[in-house]
Amino acid sequence: AQRVTQPEKLLSVFKGAPVELKCNYSYSGSPELFWYVQYSRQRLQLLLRHISRESIKGFTADLNKGETSFHLKKPFAQEEDSAMYYCALRRGYNKLIFGAGTRLAVHP
Amino acid sequence: EAGVTQFPSHSVIEKGQTVTLRCDPISGHDNLYWYRRVMGKEIKFLLHFVKESKQDESGMPNNRFLAERTGGTYSTLKVQPAELEDSGVYFCASSQVLVGPTDTQYFGPGTRLTVL
Repeated sequence: AQRVTQPEKLLSVFKGAPVELKCNYSYSGSPELFWYVQYSRQRLQLLLRHISRESIKGFTADLNKGETSFHLKKPFAQEEDSAMYYCALRRGYNKLIFGAGTRLAVHP
Repeated sequence: EAGVTQFPSHSVIEKGQTVTLRCDPISGHDNLYWYRRVMGKEIKFLLHFVKESKQDESGMPNNRFLAERTGGTYSTLKVQPAELEDSGVYFCASSQVLVGPTDTQYFGPGTRLTVL
């Protein structure tokens, strides 16, 4: 069965510290993976997708098919990065399968 | 451009009552999706419309849920009769391209449903 696992409910770091939000998936085909973010009082929005291989707001994520992981990383966290982060897998006709989400709290 | 809109933003009803949620997608987006997040759980897919047709309704929990998209524009999701376990946040999303690397689902702000 297709599944996305985000093992951490909360990740708490200080400003300037490196951040890694973990995401593991199970999928029998070629996955399309995404990170979505929800800032306080804002709607869910796409942060980045693996196929683009780009850096958004300093965040990067590399698809590791051997480890079935798609961890989100940023070398130096900022307070404005505090938000809920969701890893998602796309299968079929655009149906997204989400992980449970990780709340990132960046402290001054 | 205007984003995906949802109405109402909050709804509090009693068990056994009926509630109808509405979603207006971004203009020109043929694809419309419904998801929901119940307390403490992950966001789960409910169904997908392409224009007015149901492409995938595999996530609909039971026959108390009815989704429509007449005319291929806005969509409604009716819960009748509502049960306690239906409480949660219902999200709508829309996208323009059916399949492709540039496709992006744009989400609405969600409707928070509380069933007492």
